[in-house]
Amino acid sequence: DAGVTQSPTHLIKTRGQQVTLRCSPKSGHDTVSWYQQALGQGPQFIFQYYEEEERQRGNFPDRFSGHQFPNYSSELNVNALLLGDSALYLCASSSGGLTTGELFFGEGSRLTVL
Amino acid sequence: GQNIDQPTEMTATEGAIVQINCTYQTSGFNGLFWYQQHAGEAPTFLSYNVLDGLEEKGRFSSFLSRSKGYSYLLLKELQMKDSASYLCAVRSTDSWGKLQFGAGTQVVVTP
Repeated sequence: DAGVTQSPTHLIKTRGQQVTLRCSPKSGHDTVSWYQQALGQGPQFIFQYYEEEERQRGNFPDRFSGHQFPNYSSELNVNALLLGDSALYLCASSSGGLTTGELFFGEGSRLTVL
Repeated sequence: GQNIDQPTEMTATEGAIVQINCTYQTSGFNGLFWYQQHAGEAPTFLSYNVLDGLEEKGRFSSFLSRSKGYSYLLLKELQMKDSASYLCAVRSTDSWGKLQFGAGTQVVVTP
């Protein structure tokens, strides 16, 4: 049973560029959440996708956008990259119900902006 | 909004016990989670508390007091592999499972 998979694992971009990160949720999960984790900090919620819609959004600018596909996989796009966007981007999957909140995290995509 | 506080770092000896405290303020509480994160790896789920009291799972236990906005994670019989960051996270009633994380407590286990 495959867990949450993310790609790429590492990438380097320069300021102003755009990046797309990808996530496949754990088998049986239909909800994908994205988190940004800066060095030495806890993960910060970016947004959550369910049934191909953005269901909830954290305090991130519109440069951060996403998409969920019919197979529940998801993409995170960041435009006009800033140095401060350098972080580990974590994808977490769960089921759509509210009875449990356990999130299963992927290994993350480490983004470095130069 | 939510505010979650936990110590930055704790050091303990192999075989000992360490208690990591977490205090939180939230407009509506719907569960508290503890995750373990080794350097460069994904957070992994340790425990979940939604009612007051102690939840025990092997060497790890987690306690919750909702009236005090307080939780702790107890790690017993420490092993070197327990050296990691421990993240406290709160879910509020106005979210769809979104978690608000603390900054994490780095636990260093020494021989």
